[in-house]
Amino acid sequence: NAGVTQTPKFRVLKTGQSMTLLCAQDMNHEYMYWYRQDPGMGLRLIHYSVGEGTTAKGEVPDGYNVSRLKKQNFLLGLESAAPSQTSVYFCASSRTGNQPQHFGDGTRLSIL
Amino acid sequence: QQQVKQSPQSLIVQKGGIPIINCAYENTAFDYFPWYQQFPGKGPALLIAIRPDVSEKKEGRFTISFNKSAKQFSLHIMDSQPGDSATYFCARGNFNKFYFGSGTKLNVKP
Repeated sequence: NAGVTQTPKFRVLKTGQSMTLLCAQDMNHEYMYWYRQDPGMGLRLIHYSVGEGTTAKGEVPDGYNVSRLKKQNFLLGLESAAPSQTSVYFCASSRTGNQPQHFGDGTRLSIL
Repeated sequence: QQQVKQSPQSLIVQKGGIPIINCAYENTAFDYFPWYQQFPGKGPALLIAIRPDVSEKKEGRFTISFNKSAKQFSLHIMDSQPGDSATYFCARGNFNKFYFGSGTKLNVKP
């Protein structure tokens, strides 16, 4: 029972490069979320999805794009990476919006 | 805009002690208050959650107290153990969005 799986686990990018983070869940959850975690700031919501084919902005969406083409997958893209995007990124999913969120183990991203 | 204020930032207790972590919120348009536990290198895991129509909820050694009039909720860990050493996050959410506190790093000394 994998739950929420994030790939890659670590990545180092140069400023201006692009990349995509993949999140996959096997719990048939409708809702999926992308957060970033920075020291002393808790978790901040980047984008979320309430179902296949839908996406919406969260608290800190600038510089990121997302897609939910399949129910089980939620992709987070960085078009032109900036050092301010150095962070740990967590994906989460939940059955509905008012249900517990299940988190992956994160992607540690460094941008030089 | 900070939706949840969590304190303290860090906490050290001896084994068997009762650490207390507090969270305060402003906006009342939320109806779900979960607590998450996070170990280094791992994602947050749901510990316990409460809805505002309940003043207290216990699960094992973990208790949430909710004070709706004061807009505060707290996590108590009874008989704390070294294995409880982790970072704890409170959160508040409704429907689509959750807002997390900044976290409390708990160290339980043997």
